[in-house]
Amino acid sequence: AQKVTQAQTEISVVEKEDVTLDCVYETRDTTYYLFWYKQPPSGELVFLIRRNSFDEQNEISGRYSWNFQKSTSSFNFTITASQVVDSAVYFCAPLSGGYQKVTFGTGTKLQVIP
Amino acid sequence: GAGVSQSPRYKVAKRGQDVALRCDPISGHVSLFWYQQALGQGPEFLTYFQNEAQLDKSGLPSDRFFAERPEGSVSTLKIQRTQQEDSAVYLCASSRGTGDNQPQHFGDGTRLSIL
Repeated sequence: AQKVTQAQTEISVVEKEDVTLDCVYETRDTTYYLFWYKQPPSGELVFLIRRNSFDEQNEISGRYSWNFQKSTSSFNFTITASQVVDSAVYFCAPLSGGYQKVTFGTGTKLQVIP
Repeated sequence: GAGVSQSPRYKVAKRGQDVALRCDPISGHVSLFWYQQALGQGPEFLTYFQNEAQLDKSGLPSDRFFAERPEGSVSTLKIQRTQQEDSAVYLCASSRGTGDNQPQHFGDGTRLSIL
């Protein structure tokens, strides 16, 4: 069975602070992709970043960066220099199997305070 | 527009009524998904289409839920004899191909309220 855990329910930070969102994905699959999506108050889910399980190199894309630790199945997502527009619910969403069936975590609500 | 379009944006129905939710995916996208999102929860998978073929309907909660995509483009999710527990946001997503590394593009959703 697969299990996605986003232990942080809500986080508040002051603008310009860095913030890290945690995600743990437990699976027997050896190959999979993991996505992060953002859901602002308007409701639309927005794709942010994609990561595969066989590449342990950490990545940076603009203000977003990954930290993947295979030993703990942790896919942590960091926003550098947070902005008020970053306020949203962030979902960790692993994908495995023969097609694109995605399992969403429960989400972490991020509030960036001006 | 260029994104996934869902209609209606809001739907209120009385318990027992049938409802139909529409999804217009991004033009040319092969894969189409429906999700159900309860308040405060992450989206949960309902069903998946590859072109007109419904390849996975394992997430549909009961036989009152039915989805179709007859011409491989627009899709309709139908809920018969609605019940209060059907109240949720229904999200549609599409992606370009069938490979497992393709991000899904989501619509704004239809917020369904059953009275």
